[in-house]
Amino acid sequence: GDSVTQMEGPVTLSEEAFLTINCTYTATGYPSLFWYVQYPGEGLQLLLKATKADDKGSNKGFEATYRKETTSFHLEKGSVQVSDSAVYFCALYTGNQFYFGTGTSLTVIP
Amino acid sequence: DGGITQSPKYLFRKEGQNVTLSCEQNLNHDAMYWYRQDPGQGLRLIYYSQIVNDFQKGDIAEGYSVSREKKESFPLTVTSAQKNPTAFYLCASREGQMVKSEAFFGQGTRLTVV
Repeated sequence: GDSVTQMEGPVTLSEEAFLTINCTYTATGYPSLFWYVQYPGEGLQLLLKATKADDKGSNKGFEATYRKETTSFHLEKGSVQVSDSAVYFCALYTGNQFYFGTGTSLTVIP
Repeated sequence: DGGITQSPKYLFRKEGQNVTLSCEQNLNHDAMYWYRQDPGQGLRLIYYSQIVNDFQKGDIAEGYSVSREKKESFPLTVTSAQKNPTAFYLCASREGQMVKSEAFFGQGTRLTVV
């Protein structure tokens, strides 16, 4: 069945460090891929998305490229800030329901 | 402003009681979803609805019930049959027909059994 596997955390980085959170997926058909962010005690907010192979989603300095050949959608940011501390979820949608990864907790220290 | 609203933000339930969590959206979205989130875990699908008056069970539907009488509303009832209901509950909605459409989430309801 369809599924998402993402890098387990927690991840702790110093401010201005480079961030990568790995995400791979299994899906039939042609899914859309998403990264969501969750701050403590809140719901999920869309960070970025890509809807077809080789698309790059980007927002607030975060990027992810839809790689069909490696079934991956890794999240990257060149220079993280303390305000980026949150839990990040990778997700896919294939036409019926969403499938979410287990989330990766990121803490950025000054 | 368009959005999705969950209420209440915090809810306390006594053993053996049923409680209902509200979810309302004014985005004119066809599809609505309920998820459960436990500490340090991902989201697990409870129920979803693609159109009014129709809904399907998700992965962990036992002990829960829903209704979809109006497009904008998708309440979730946590029944006494749910043995471990303490969790964070998230409601979401999306446009129904487009695979590329994202889900919009409410702010969540934290349910605690006392």
